[in-house]
Amino acid sequence: QITLKESGPTLVKPTQTLTLTCTFSGFSLRSSGMGVGWIRQPPGKALEWLALIYWDDDKRYSPSLKSRLTITKDTSKNQVVLTMTNMDPVDTATYHCAHITRGYYEGAFDYWGQGTLVTVSS
Amino acid sequence: DIQMTQSPSSVSASVGDRVTITCRASQGIGTWLAWYQQKPGTAPELLIYAASSLQSGVPSRFSGSGSGTDFTLTISSLQPEDFATYYCQQAKSFPFTFGPGTKVDIK
Repeated sequence: QITLKESGPTLVKPTQTLTLTCTFSGFSLRSSGMGVGWIRQPPGKALEWLALIYWDDDKRYSPSLKSRLTITKDTSKNQVVLTMTNMDPVDTATYHCAHITRGYYEGAFDYWGQGTLVTVSS
Repeated sequence: DIQMTQSPSSVSASVGDRVTITCRASQGIGTWLAWYQQKPGTAPELLIYAASSLQSGVPSRFSGSGSGTDFTLTISSLQPEDFATYYCQQAKSFPFTFGPGTKVDIK
């Protein structure tokens, strides 16, 4: 059974750097095809894809946020970390991590974490 | 970027109604399309992948169709637990993009 859970600060100040950790179980990022993505959702708004990392360390970013995002993996800990620099109040959102398998489901995220609400405010 | 649009933005329906939601891509995406259901305060759940394949465990009243630029999600007989917001997502190319969502609420 695949599970994912996000962790990190609930409140950050403008200009600070946000670091979020996705801890997962039920699969390994050493296994071919496996990947983890990050998706966010501002309160009352739609989903926005942010970044994705695959087992082979292929990394993809949203072009509009690429300069601010870094995604990394720690296969020994079953974790994926997303950092976002220069946080702004418009970045207030629930941040989800989700599982994806390259070559299956045609790019769908089949398992999601519950999400963590991050508020950006001074 | 591939832009995704959905219509309607909201629909009011009754239990037992047939509901159809449309998703359109700004360029052809083959069948690289997924549908998700999201209830308030919870994570999205995958309903349909590859435009028409039902995710394991999802009731058969949900179905998807389409290819290229035009796609539909159909709920054949709306159940109380189906009142939610539905999103489409393309994965043909990066950046992945989601539609704005369609809220299905009680008439």
